[in-house]
Amino acid sequence: DVKVTQSSRYLVKRTGEKVFLECVQDMDHENMFWYRQDPGLGLRLIYFSYDVKMKEKGDIPEGYSVSREKKERFSLILESASTNQTSMYLCASSPRGADAYNEQFFGPGTRLTVL
Amino acid sequence: GQNIDQPTEMTATEGAIVQINCTYQTSGFNGLFWYQQHAGEAPTFLSYNVLDGLEEKGRFSSFLSRSKGYSYLLLKELQMKDSASYLCAVRSRRAAGNKLTFGGGTRVLVKP
Repeated sequence: DVKVTQSSRYLVKRTGEKVFLECVQDMDHENMFWYRQDPGLGLRLIYFSYDVKMKEKGDIPEGYSVSREKKERFSLILESASTNQTSMYLCASSPRGADAYNEQFFGPGTRLTVL
Repeated sequence: GQNIDQPTEMTATEGAIVQINCTYQTSGFNGLFWYQQHAGEAPTFLSYNVLDGLEEKGRFSSFLSRSKGYSYLLLKELQMKDSASYLCAVRSRRAAGNKLTFGGGTRVLVKP
């Protein structure tokens, strides 16, 4: 079974703090993704990576950065947390290749509150 | 860009059938996914359609019409545990890295 784990289920930070969210997958997947999920807005893609050290902006990258130094680990960084970044953050991974269904597998999510 | 629409909420009775519609606009369509997400949990994969027609998996079926930009997820013999949000997601052939665009999700409430 594919397993995607995230470092924390719940996190509370203060405005201006630097925040690291970690995601690890154990199935040797090439692709990894960071989403945020907000009521009424669904899942929105922040950044994704299709290989080590490779990253691409998603739909809402502002205020975030990412790091992929190892294939199994994809980190999301909030350089200076703000209250509008309070949200549920979901990490996902999938195999390479868009010719088969290759669904994304999701981690349990991190609920981040910025005070 | 891509635009994906699905109803916000639906209510149905245990044992009944519910159909969740999803319409999309995209260039280079390369597959549509349905995920189920229970409150406070991660989304889990339900179904995938890339060709027109119906895909059946037990009590769940998913239909696709590429010419109409339309899909539906059909849940039969509803059970209380089917109360969840159902997410429609579209993959574009132009998207690198197997990227998906998600709709807002449909919350289904199953009542006794």
